[in-house]
Amino acid sequence: GAGVSQSPRYKVAKRGQDVALRCDPISGHVSLFWYQQALGQGPEFLTYFQNEAQLDKSGLPSDRFFAERPEGSVSTLKIQRTQQEDSAVYLCASSHPEITSGPYNEQFFGPGTRLTVL
Amino acid sequence: AQSVTQPDIHITVSEGASLELRCNYSYGATPYLFWYVQSPGQGLQLLLKYFSGDTLVQGIKGFEAEFKRSQSSFNLRKPSVHWSDAAEYFCAVGASTGANNLFFGTGTRLTVIP
Repeated sequence: GAGVSQSPRYKVAKRGQDVALRCDPISGHVSLFWYQQALGQGPEFLTYFQNEAQLDKSGLPSDRFFAERPEGSVSTLKIQRTQQEDSAVYLCASSHPEITSGPYNEQFFGPGTRLTVL
Repeated sequence: AQSVTQPDIHITVSEGASLELRCNYSYGATPYLFWYVQSPGQGLQLLLKYFSGDTLVQGIKGFEAEFKRSQSSFNLRKPSVHWSDAAEYFCAVGASTGANNLFFGTGTRLTVIP
């Protein structure tokens, strides 16, 4: 597709429910990032994939958060037993190692999924 | 550790007026610096970036930013603001190792009045 897409755009969950958030990166992009953006805050890094390998998950706030990218394209962020503090916008970004004009690969962001936990 | 401070939570300017959004960073080495804009319901869009070289960088939509190492700042400027510039602006610094993830500031919300 033309850009990074995420689904659903909005998700309301009752506390304790499991949710799954999907990210479709730009075709051919090797790197994929997940960020969490709480209300009134900037995005915070959650995890990073290079192809299907999850190389960094240092930002995941608890073991209730799990991400996967089994075929190196689509990624799913799963949150188990959701809590109210999980309410946030979850952003996905992808990048390609050759789309850069310097030492840093530009990240292209999706519109995000707004998760509200009641 | 990297961190970014955006001291202004909300700024209001008149259309046609100049704009400066402040950003201060904390980073041990030469930072990779970015400005992103986020409109309601939209993803983050890259305005400009600084890696090295000329400390005044030009971006899209008429924006520019100046890197000042002595002040650890990377302020965003625009000489004449348009109503369509109303949005949330985020300064970010890139990790130079590991995942190359971005560390964002808390953002500055820009309101443009006619």
